[in-house]
Amino acid sequence: DIQMTQSPSSLSASVGDRVTITCRASQGIRNDLGWYQQKPGKAPKRLIYAASGLQSGVPSRFSGSGSGTEFTLTISSLQPEDFATYYCLQYYSYPRTFGQGTKLEIK
Amino acid sequence: QVQLQESGPGLLKPSQTLSLTCTVSGGSMSSGGYSWNWIRQHPGRGLEWIGNIHHSGSTYYNPSLKSRVTISVDTSKKQFSLSLSAVTAADTAIYFCAREPEMPAAGAFDIWGQGTRVTVSS
Repeated sequence: DIQMTQSPSSLSASVGDRVTITCRASQGIRNDLGWYQQKPGKAPKRLIYAASGLQSGVPSRFSGSGSGTEFTLTISSLQPEDFATYYCLQYYSYPRTFGQGTKLEIK
Repeated sequence: QVQLQESGPGLLKPSQTLSLTCTVSGGSMSSGGYSWNWIRQHPGRGLEWIGNIHHSGSTYYNPSLKSRVTISVDTSKKQFSLSLSAVTAADTAIYFCAREPEMPAAGAFDIWGQGTRVTVSS
């Protein structure tokens, strides 16, 4: 199985801050990576696909980059609605595997 | 737009078989181009992919659950189902169904159901 390691596991930030979350794959996965946002009691919502593709309807303050084994999700200017848990997902091979999550909290 | 909705019992006893159904609305399953997936989330924990079924009927399962999992599809009813046998308390989780485009360039898990909570307790 491909292991996905996210960092940090939690993060405190303020509205307006720029935030970056990193995901590392245990082996190369091309750009077959997505980022998801999950709020309490809700299903995950796709933000980014193919490492850098912005999901339709997602604000442009969200961006993704990377290829191979290192990926990042950046939120350029945090808004109150962005405080949530974020997961990366590799879909390069089976079984599909998620990172352990990054909980983004208000400072 | 396509929507997914899980259904099934919320409470099971140890050793029973969990059966969940995901109903697809607002679109077709028979046109192909997607796989239909089950994913679960243990309380307060991360996400675990369970398995999927493709339009062709091919299935892929997480090796950690493979011996107990069966995923099937009924395109005429626009439903796909999860069967998980011999459940234990470790199977207590929220179960999500999700759609995945078959072309990697289109990404994975673009549409999710709202999730259904399953508790295993004697």
